[in-house]
Amino acid sequence: AQSVAQPEDQVKVAEGNPLTVKCTYSVSGNPYLFWYVQYPNRGLQFLLKYITGDNLVKGSYGFEAEFNKSQTSFHLKKPSALVSDSALYFCAVRDTDSGGYQKVTFGTGTKLQVIP
Amino acid sequence: NAGVMQNPRHLVRRRGQEARLRCSPMKGHSHVYWYRQLPEEGLKFMVYLQKENIIDESGMPKERFSAEFPKEGPSILRIQQVVRGDSAAYFCASSPPRLGGAEAFFGQGTRLTVV
Repeated sequence: AQSVAQPEDQVKVAEGNPLTVKCTYSVSGNPYLFWYVQYPNRGLQFLLKYITGDNLVKGSYGFEAEFNKSQTSFHLKKPSALVSDSALYFCAVRDTDSGGYQKVTFGTGTKLQVIP
Repeated sequence: NAGVMQNPRHLVRRRGQEARLRCSPMKGHSHVYWYRQLPEEGLKFMVYLQKENIIDESGMPKERFSAEFPKEGPSILRIQQVVRGDSAAYFCASSPPRLGGAEAFFGQGTRLTVV
């Protein structure tokens, strides 16, 4: 069974500082990993994904994420936070060993608050 | 290419009534997923469907909830005899039929309020 954990319910950073939102996963095969962002009263927007290849993945709005297979982690990062980055962030995983089954498992979300 | 469309955006039902939530996937997408989000909580998987087939309904409550994705028309999530605890945001996502690392695209959600 696949699972994903976001150990922090909330992350607070000052505007202009680097930010990290943590995510760890568990799969039986190789993972497909995703990050989504949810602004208040909106749906989820796709940010970036890791499929294969380079461990550092760049996505929308200046975000990037680093895949670390030995630590089974896929932390979301941004060098300089903006107040407008304040939102709920979800990490998600899909196991490539799932055959034709495409169920994606989401973490519980991390609320990011960027303080002016 | 329109995104995933969900309607209604907001739905108010009295206890005991039925709620029907609709989801039209993106063009060319044949996989649909339904998730529920309770206030201040994360996403909970409910059901995964392909056209005319329920693939995984392990997240669906055993009673009162059902889902379908007919050959023609939108996917429907149906909640019978709603209770206050059903109040939540229900999100639909779709993805294309081919395997691979394709991400799912989400609709704006339907916010169900049971009064």
